[in-house]
Amino acid sequence: KNEVEQSPQNLTAQEGEFITINCSYSVGISALHWLQQHPGGGIVSLFMLSSGKKKHGRLIATINIQEKHSSLHITASHPRDSAVYICAVTDGGSARQLTFGSGTQLTVLP
Amino acid sequence: NAGVTQTPKFRILKIGQSMTLQCAQDMNHNYMYWYRQDPGMGLKLIYYSVGAGITDKGEVPNGYNVSRSTTEDFPLRLELAAPSQTSVYFCASSSSEKRSTEAFFGQGTRLTVV
Repeated sequence: KNEVEQSPQNLTAQEGEFITINCSYSVGISALHWLQQHPGGGIVSLFMLSSGKKKHGRLIATINIQEKHSSLHITASHPRDSAVYICAVTDGGSARQLTFGSGTQLTVLP
Repeated sequence: NAGVTQTPKFRILKIGQSMTLQCAQDMNHNYMYWYRQDPGMGLKLIYYSVGAGITDKGEVPNGYNVSRSTTEDFPLRLELAAPSQTSVYFCASSSSEKRSTEAFFGQGTRLTVV
């Protein structure tokens, strides 16, 4: 069973700061997902990646398959980025169910 | 696009009561999942389905049942609710068409058992 670890658990930043959230996993995967959850809200998929790097607006996700590690970066952070960011992996098994990290609570102060 | 729709959004149950959490998706996804989210913990898989008529247990299935009579619907049944089932429940779906595929989540159901 894959173990997914995220760090930090909580992160407070000032508006405009560059933010990095880290995720490591223990067993080989077919894909890694970064998800966003706003307070009281649903879960939204930000990225799904199996190699390299993806960018969407101010968000960048990278993955190093050999090191079993991924990072989510937010450039020029904004208070609206405040949310829980969740890393999840799938091992590509028949059901493709996800194994989740415990999440990183990000607060961006104005 | 509706995506994944869960109902209800909130519910308070008394110990021993039963209820069904509804989940429907309109993306013709074969794979559907029920997860629960407890404070400070990662989401955990309760049950999943790879297609109509096929369901299987996940990591924490005790106290729950599911059915999948159609591709669209995947209801989660709680029998004899217990305080330990107080949680936020998320339904999700994904396509079976590619090897690795994006997951789509519902808005969640916040359940309190008192």
